[in-house]
This record gives sequence, C-alpha cells and structure tokens, in this order.
Amino acid sequence: EAGVAQSPRYKIIEKRQSVAFWCNPISGHATLYWYQQILGQGPKLLIQFQNNGVVDDSQLPKDRFSAERLKGVDSTLKIQPAKLEDSAVYLCASSPRGGRVLNTEAFFGQGTRLTVV
Amino acid sequence: AQSVAQPEDQVNVAEGNPLTVKCTYSVSGNPYLFWYVQYPNRGLQFLLKYITGDNLVKGSYGFEAEFNKSQTSFHLKKPSALVSDTALYYCAVIPRPAGNKLTFGGGTRVLVKP
Repeated sequence: EAGVAQSPRYKIIEKRQSVAFWCNPISGHATLYWYQQILGQGPKLLIQFQNNGVVDDSQLPKDRFSAERLKGVDSTLKIQPAKLEDSAVYLCASSPRGGRVLNTEAFFGQGTRLTVV
Repeated sequence: AQSVAQPEDQVNVAEGNPLTVKCTYSVSGNPYLFWYVQYPNRGLQFLLKYITGDNLVKGSYGFEAEFNKSQTSFHLKKPSALVSDTALYYCAVIPRPAGNKLTFGGGTRVLVKP
C-alpha cells in the first residue's frame, strides 16, 4: 500500500512570497490533516478535512493560509504572503476515520520543510 | 479545551534498562489515545493506540502503554530499551464523539545510550 505523498520535500522562499504544498493521501482515506511542526515542538493541527469538507480549521491563520481538498482526494496548502515565523515542517496525514469508522490512526507523509528568509 | 502534556523534554536511559515516557491528557469524555514515534529524518509513525477494553495495550517494536483513567495518563513503556529506540515520541488524543481533531503533545526526546 502506497503511503501519504507530499511535495516538495524542501522549499526556501523569501518573506512575503507565496508557496504551495501538495499532498496525496492514501487511497480511500476519508480524513486528511495538515499540521505545522515548528522545530522543537509537537505538530499543531492547521486544518482537518473529511472527504472534501472542512471539519476543523480553528487554528489556521486564514489571513494568509488556505487549503483545499479537491474531490475529496488530493489537497493543497497555500501560504500567501509568507512570514519568517512560518518556517516549519508541514505534515500531511490521512486516516480511514470518518462516518462509521472511528478508532483508526493517522498515517503521515514525510513532510515539507519550509524555510522563510 | 483539550490538551496533551508530556512533562519531560528528554529521557535518557541505558540500553537494556526499562524505558518510560509520560503523557497526561485533559479532554472531556473518554478519548482515543495514541503514541507516535519520529526517527531521525523520517516521518511520524504510529506505535499504538487505546480505544477501549484492557488498560494495557501493546504496539510495535515491543512498546506498550498503560491507560489510567483516574490519573488521566497514558504512559509509554518498554521493558528493555535498545539504542535504535532513540527518537522523538509524541502522545496524541482524539476526544469522543467522532469528528474531533487529533491533538499532539509537545514530544519527548528519548536517548538510549549503549
């Protein structure tokens, strides 16, 4: 079974530029998460999708971050404009969890390491 | 508000000795509880989970965790640590009912010395 795919693996941009990350979850997984992991901290949930609907985006800085999950499969996370404090690893995860399937774990991609200079 | 606390930033243990990584949670209801591990230069990997039933759950690589409802804790344990267990360990929680978010603790770095 293929895992969660993310691209790019690394990205360096200047502040005020825009950037986009892409995630392809495991086939058939209903739930998709985007996390931000700042160095030395645990992952912080940015947004959670179930199929193509948003379940939770309470910690997403909506003035600069946006995310979508087209047709309930792939997802993109965008930052525009980027700030220095956005430097972090952005993790995508997927889970079969949803509907009647409740108690399953999430599977993580390798992440995208973003450096804003 | 839900939260997960890992009180130790780092745990040092000699190879062959028992390993314990602490986790306490503060959520409403009876949550689902998870442990994940992050090896150097690798993504987060699932280790084990508690859903219901036996308070002692067993997972990958010889790890186990004990759910204690009265103390709201879910400590990770391994009877005999290996150097290859050196990694970052994260406790996580999903509160019930379904649909709520998977929240992580701050992580504990485990260093197993030969």
